[in-house]
Order: sequence, then structure tokens, then C-alpha cells
Amino acid sequence: TQLLEQSPQFLSIQEGENLTVYCNSSSVFSSLQWYRQEPGEGPVLLVTVVTGGEVKKLKRLTFQFGDARKDSSLHITAAQPGDTGLYLCAGARRSQGNLIFGKGTKLSVKP
Amino acid sequence: DSGVTQTPKHLITATGQRVTLRCSPRSGDLSVYWYQQSLDQGLQFLIHYYNGEERAKGNILERFSAQQFPDLHSELNLSSLELGDSALYFCASSERGGLADTQYFGPGTRLTVL
Repeated sequence: TQLLEQSPQFLSIQEGENLTVYCNSSSVFSSLQWYRQEPGEGPVLLVTVVTGGEVKKLKRLTFQFGDARKDSSLHITAAQPGDTGLYLCAGARRSQGNLIFGKGTKLSVKP
Repeated sequence: DSGVTQTPKHLITATGQRVTLRCSPRSGDLSVYWYQQSLDQGLQFLIHYYNGEERAKGNILERFSAQQFPDLHSELNLSSLELGDSALYFCASSERGGLADTQYFGPGTRLTVL
């Protein structure tokens, strides 16, 4: 059973479109992180959210942590080909000494 | 470039063999993490070392072992390899090892077991 479910699994869109990807769980997390991974490379941290209801913006990317700290979303405005990659969410729980990763959303933005 | 180095980049071996993957953390980072990434399981945490001592263990098989040396580099040993061990293995490092610390990932080692 996957503790963190990401949806959709795959997303193929045209440049300029908006999109939202989701990260859901039945468990509460003390914080949640979003990473982007490009082919042949390791994941790179984009953002960490720690407070329920928190919204963080990184240029055209908007991250939200659910009020109950069980879910999160990533919204990309006016997607560009450079946004192509695997987006991973990872949750931290104080009862466990490690991050738990979702399986990711593979995004392809076509010019 | 994250500052984390992993060698080798690719490794092809046969079932039953043993391999060693190496990781050098970013300068100044005391924690090293090992992860396995496969298509069906995603990114799975294996083990975490802090300043030479094991800090946390995840879904690491008994055939796998790791250690962190005094110079803080780490090695992941995989033995009695099976076809299902084929995956990408990532090392990450962080300054101290708290859950709030940023983990910096290396480029990974792609292991293929034939």
C-alpha cells in the first residue's frame, strides 16, 4: 500500500496550459516536500511546506499544503517545456526517521 | 550539480554476484541516505547514516548492507543479486539529518542484473 498517492501518474500538455498535480494520504505529515527529477539525474528539492493551509509560490509554481496536513497540490501556470520532468512529493512524520515518497507524476510539456 | 558524487554511474552484473556502490556527500554534510528507485515501487528509502552511525533503516533487504566511513563517504553493498534488484540507486546527503533538512541527491547508479 502506497502511503502517498500521486495523481495523475502521467500528464502530457501543450506549452502555455495550466495544470495541477495532487499528493494525497490518509496520514498526517509534519511537513511535505516537492521534488522535480529529470532523466538521468537525482531529484531536486523545489519546496517544503510545514503548516496546514500553507501556500508557497515559486515563480509559476504554486504549492499548497492541506489544512489537515494530509495532502498537497502543485499548480503550474503557463507550463513551459523546461517544466518537463517527474514531480515527486515526500512526506515527513516524526514517528519515522525518514521521508516517504510518492511514485510521482511524469509531466511532459510539448512546445 | 548537487555536490554529491556517486560511482559508478552504470553497473551491469549477473545474478548471484556482489557489488559495491560508493557515495561522497557534499562538503560539510554529516548525513548520508540511500534510496532505491524502480518503476513499480518508486523511490524507496533504504538506510540513513549520520556521522558514521546508523540513524534509521527502511525497506532494506538483509542481502544489502551499508556503512559510512570516518571521511563521511558511504558504501552500499548488494550481495546475492537477483533480477529484481535492477534499479536506480541514489545517495543523498544533508547537513545534520533532521527531517526538516534539505536532502541533496547524487546522480544515481543504474544497476542492471542479468
